[in-house]
Amino acid sequence: AQKITQTQPGMFVQEKEAVTLDCTYDTSDPSYGLFWYKQPSSGEMIFLIYQGSYDQQNATEGRYSLNFQKARKSANLVISASQLGDSAMYFCAMREPNSGNTPLVFGKGTRLSVIA
Amino acid sequence: GAVVSQHPSRVICKSGTSVKIECRSLDFQATTMFWYRQFPKQSLMLMATSNEGSKATYEQGVEKDKFLINHASLTLSTLTVTSAHPEDSSFYICSARRNRGETQYFGPGTRLLVL
Repeated sequence: AQKITQTQPGMFVQEKEAVTLDCTYDTSDPSYGLFWYKQPSSGEMIFLIYQGSYDQQNATEGRYSLNFQKARKSANLVISASQLGDSAMYFCAMREPNSGNTPLVFGKGTRLSVIA
Repeated sequence: GAVVSQHPSRVICKSGTSVKIECRSLDFQATTMFWYRQFPKQSLMLMATSNEGSKATYEQGVEKDKFLINHASLTLSTLTVTSAHPEDSSFYICSARRNRGETQYFGPGTRLLVL
């Protein structure tokens, strides 16, 4: 079964607008971590934001925020004030349990295109 | 954040040859390193997990005799693709973690093309 589901293969957004990239996850472990990475065409994986399952507040990092809805098992990434440089693949990932030695498992990704 | 390097960044080889990819953690000691593979327009798929000084744990469907992983030190892990074939052409990314529960840092990846 898919652990991480990203249902949007591709998204378009106008420059300076906000965009939400969807991510749902599946786990029975109460301790887990959720991550978002950006992968530009160069291939490097750029860490954006992290949310722990026990964190009370939604994570924010500059223009990135994570809309964490635990009951729905969703961890959507919100990018505010989109820039042309935000065009890239975005991957949602999970680690369970959060304190263990387990690797990140990735979703299939969403390709975001920012239009001028 | 911590820095992870990979070498080479690109490699083209003939079918049947072996290719070694190095992954180094430059400013921290990595107790665990992970190797991922990414085909074009697809996600990262975990190949194996390696802990320093012990044998790697391979994911189901990954041939350990084809993809040899050595994690000889706390700063270096190598992936050797033995007797490479065109279907092994892919983007290989390593990732390193200092301790349990900490962030995984990714290398810049290696593009392998087997002719």
